[in-house]
Amino acid sequence: GAGVSQSPSNKVTEKGKDVELRCDPISGHTALYWYRQSLGQGLEFLIYFQGNSAPDKSGLPSDRFSAERTGGSVSTLTIQRTQQEDSAVYLCASSLVRGLQPQHFGDGTRLSIL
Amino acid sequence: DQQVKQNSPSLSVQEGRISILNCDYTNSMFDYFLWYKKYPAEGPTFLISISSIKDKNEDGRFTVFLNKSAKHLSLHIVPSQPGDSAVYFCAASGHLYAGGTSYGKLTFGQGTILTVHP
Repeated sequence: GAGVSQSPSNKVTEKGKDVELRCDPISGHTALYWYRQSLGQGLEFLIYFQGNSAPDKSGLPSDRFSAERTGGSVSTLTIQRTQQEDSAVYLCASSLVRGLQPQHFGDGTRLSIL
Repeated sequence: DQQVKQNSPSLSVQEGRISILNCDYTNSMFDYFLWYKKYPAEGPTFLISISSIKDKNEDGRFTVFLNKSAKHLSLHIVPSQPGDSAVYFCAASGHLYAGGTSYGKLTFGQGTILTVHP
């Protein structure tokens, strides 16, 4: 596909469980970003990866959140010991890095913590 | 501390008329501004962007204006169509440049719901 692909599209899990969310960026895009949108809120930056550089984790809300990017392509966002306040839509975006480039978003994973 | 603000939660416009969506920012380090459109259950779709060295950028029915002194940008849609009905987000980025590459996290406004009536 040509766009950013995220899976699963929906995830319902019990409080305290761990979840993994996957993002497959647009081919050739070396910058990858994770955002989340909680109910009634705007999009909030979580983390980004650029090539082999150390990721910018400044937006991660707690140490229960982590992310990795393997082989410079697919990324996984992991939330451990989920809490109800983690319920949100988690969005992934990717972009080129030459000049000023827009970020292109996937359709997100809607995470619901019971 | 909301660095990007969209003060109008909603806007209603008649088909064929102009829609004007506004956005204000506070961080003078922002150098790249974007507008996204979002439908329910979909991710934001990139519409148009502008760098801080310009004051206007046009793409078809969409024009973005940037007033740096006022830290204000606006999106004009002319003519508005019912299919334009969606949530519109403005976003801003302060780019980091290193080794010939550039990247920057986006700071989003809260969004404006645009409804275009037939």
